[in-house]
Formats: sequence, structure tokens, C-alpha cells
Amino acid sequence: GENVEQHPSTLSVQEGDSAVIKCTYSDSASNYFPWYKQELGKRPQLIIDIRSNVGEKKDQRIAVTLNKTAKHFSLHITETQPEDSAVYFCAASGSGGGADGLTFGKGTHLIIQP
Amino acid sequence: EPEVTQTPSHQVTQMGQEVILRCVPISNHLYFYWYRQILGQKVEFLVSFYNNEISEKSEIFDDQFSVERPDGSNFTLKIRSTKLEDSAMYFCASTEQGAFTEAFFGQGTRLTVV
Repeated sequence: GENVEQHPSTLSVQEGDSAVIKCTYSDSASNYFPWYKQELGKRPQLIIDIRSNVGEKKDQRIAVTLNKTAKHFSLHITETQPEDSAVYFCAASGSGGGADGLTFGKGTHLIIQP
Repeated sequence: EPEVTQTPSHQVTQMGQEVILRCVPISNHLYFYWYRQILGQKVEFLVSFYNNEISEKSEIFDDQFSVERPDGSNFTLKIRSTKLEDSAMYFCASTEQGAFTEAFFGQGTRLTVV
């Protein structure tokens, strides 16, 4: 089955700086890669996603890049703000067909230092 | 905005007891999922459900687990004989068109087995 590795486990950045979180996946048939933000005690919420036919996607301060050859995708957050502090999870799905569940990485605890 | 709702928000049960966790997916969604998250760990896929049957299940989803869509709106997860290690947050999720579209998560049910 699919395996998703995520790094780093903790990332501390100064407010206003950029943050980058990286993930790799094992199954080359995976074709959907979402990123979820989870605040303490809350549900995971989608912040951005990318499909395998696209190399990059941007939404305001958030961007995701995908390298299918390397089986690697990354989340970039620019101009970080205190409200960006949370745990971020990458995930992959699609290799098992239409009802395939998401395989999540272990999460990155992003800390924005004021 | 439509959302996935789960009840109860917190369930405490004695080891060996049966529990049923309930979910109401978004009304026009066709694919339903259960995930669990042990405290401080990643979100793990349990099972997906489409067209009134299980589509995929993980190794975690053993004979102690079952799912059901008893009517047109509810989606339930039953654990027949709970174990201490079943203590976790259980999230229901739904998607409109399967693995390649956004999964909307419910707020979760925190299950504590004592």
C-alpha cells in the first residue's frame, strides 16, 4: 500500500518568514495530494490540493509543488502569521481507485514565533 | 456551508462494550469514510463506503468493526467489543466524487475506552 513520509516533524519560523514542508510518497499510481491543517482538538481542514496532471498550484500565501518523477510534493507558506500555527498533514490517494482513502503523513507542527 | 456532523462528540465506554459512532455526511456526497487519530499521531484510514457497500478497508478495520448506512442520511461505525487501544478520535468524512476530490471531515468523536 501507499506510504507517505513527511518532514520536518516540527518547524519553527519567525512571523513573516516562509515555511516549507516536504512529503514523499511510494505509490506512483497515486494522483491526488491534499494538504490539511489541524488545530488542536479540531477536525482536519483542507487548505490546498494538487492533482498529478499539475506541477504547481497557488492560493494567496499558500502554494504546493509536485514532482511526479521524484514522488515528492511540498507545501510553501509565505509571509507566515500567528494564525498559521497548527499541525499540517500531507496525504495521497487515488492509487486504489475511486473510493481510495487518504494515506496521511505523520504531520508537521508549525510554530510561528512572534 | 454544508458540513459533516458526528455524534456523540465524546464517548466513554468500558472495555468489551459495543459502541456505535454516528455520522451524517454532506447530502449530495456519494463516498463516505471513517478515519481514526490516536492522540498526537497521524490520521489513519479505516474504511471507505460507496453504493451501499464497503469499497476499501485498512488492516486496522478487522472483524470488530462494521459500518452501515441504515437510512438515507446516517453512516455509522460499530465497534463490537472495544479494547483499550481503540481509544482515539474517530473522524467521519465524505467526498462528492471519490478519491480525487476534497474530503470534508466531521468534527470527530473522541472515544475513551476504560
